[in-house]
Amino acid sequence: KAGVTQTPRYLIKTRGQQVTLSCSPISGHRSVSWYQQTPGQGLQFLFEYFSETQRNKGNFPGRFSGRQFSNSRSEMNVSTLELGDSALYLCASSLSQGPSEQYFGPGTRLTVT
Amino acid sequence: GENVEQHPSTLSVQEGDSAVIKCTYSDSASNYFPWYKQELGKGPQLIIDIRSNVGEKKDQRIAVTLNKTAKHFSLHITETQPEDSAVYFCAASRLSGGSYIPTFGRGTSLIVHP
Repeated sequence: KAGVTQTPRYLIKTRGQQVTLSCSPISGHRSVSWYQQTPGQGLQFLFEYFSETQRNKGNFPGRFSGRQFSNSRSEMNVSTLELGDSALYLCASSLSQGPSEQYFGPGTRLTVT
Repeated sequence: GENVEQHPSTLSVQEGDSAVIKCTYSDSASNYFPWYKQELGKGPQLIIDIRSNVGEKKDQRIAVTLNKTAKHFSLHITETQPEDSAVYFCAASRLSGGSYIPTFGRGTSLIVHP
């Protein structure tokens, strides 16, 4: 069974630009969560989607948004990029709504210059 | 909101020794506690988890204990091997909007010397 895939793996953007990251969950998984990982703040929850609906949102500004498609694939978008948005963005999928195992992708390394 | 403290930030052991990583949490509503291992260039991988109705869980060389009253939980790795070297994260999760949303500790870099 294929794991969680994220594209692109690496990205360099300039301040003020916007970026879209993509995540394909494990087949059959309906819940997709996004996390930001930085050396300064650690692993922080961004948002979670289940059946195309955002069910939870972390404490991030409105510049961070996401969506989920009917095939469970998800995208997250960051508008008006700031230097502090440089991070590893991780996507995780899980089978159900309960405390089930989350499978993480390898992440997208975003560098903002 | 939830706050998770994890210690130590770095742990260096000799191959064969045991390693213990400790976490405390603040929100008594948290009731699911996963542990993740993250190797360089990879996403975190779940290695063991425990729910609040259980005090201890073991899986081969790895065990986790939970003390709900004190709000702390620990990861124990016995007979460490060089391939155990990685960053380990604890998390405390509570039910929100139908899902369990984790708050992570800051991570422990475990180095196992051959």
